Amino acid sequence: EVQLLESGGGLVQPGGSLRLSCAASGFTFSEYGMDWVRQAPGKGLEWVSAISSGGERTYYVGSVKGRFTISRDNSRNVLFLQMNSLSLEDTAVYYCAKEGGHGLPFDFWGQGILVTVSS
Amino acid sequence: EIVLTQSPATLSLSPGERATLSCRASQSVSSSLAWYQQKPGQAPRLLIYAASNRATGIPARFTGSGSGTDFTLTISSLEPEDFAVYYCQQRFDWWTFGQGTKVEIK
Repeated sequence: EVQLLESGGGLVQPGGSLRLSCAASGFTFSEYGMDWVRQAPGKGLEWVSAISSGGERTYYVGSVKGRFTISRDNSRNVLFLQMNSLSLEDTAVYYCAKEGGHGLPFDFWGQGILVTVSS
Repeated sequence: EIVLTQSPATLSLSPGERATLSCRASQSVSSSLAWYQQKPGQAPRLLIYAASNRATGIPARFTGSGSGTDFTLTISSLEPEDFAVYYCQQRFDWWTFGQGTKVEIK
């Protein structure tokens, strides 16, 4: 059974940093691209970042470029999102998601973790 | 950036009725379109990929159609568990989501 479990969320002040983790199990982690998607309170879904299966290629939505860094540790089956210079607009539930392979969309999602940016 | 526009924003229907949800792309995405269902407090669930293929375990009452810029998700006969928010997503140029359609009980 595929499982994705996010951790590391919480309350942070504007300008602060936070590192999210997503522990994966139930599939061969190193064979799939992984993504982060967020959802602000009461709003829709926003794709944030993606990383290729081997970690050599990373991609970001414009609003987080230069502030967020996605990475992965295939030896430990963990996905990360380092978030720096956080602003109020980054407040959201953050989901990690597994890509389906060969360009297919997100077939499994974590339960989500709340990040609140507030003074 | 490819923008996806979903309509209507809200669909008020009764169980047993047919639901038709629309997703329009600002430029062609070929067949690189997916649909997700999200219930309150839950993660999204993949329903349809590549415009018309049902994901594993998705009931046959869910049907996706379309290509290019115009796509439709049809739920043939609404079950109580189908009342939720539905999002389309394109994969043609990175990933973007539509703003969602809420299917609510009338």
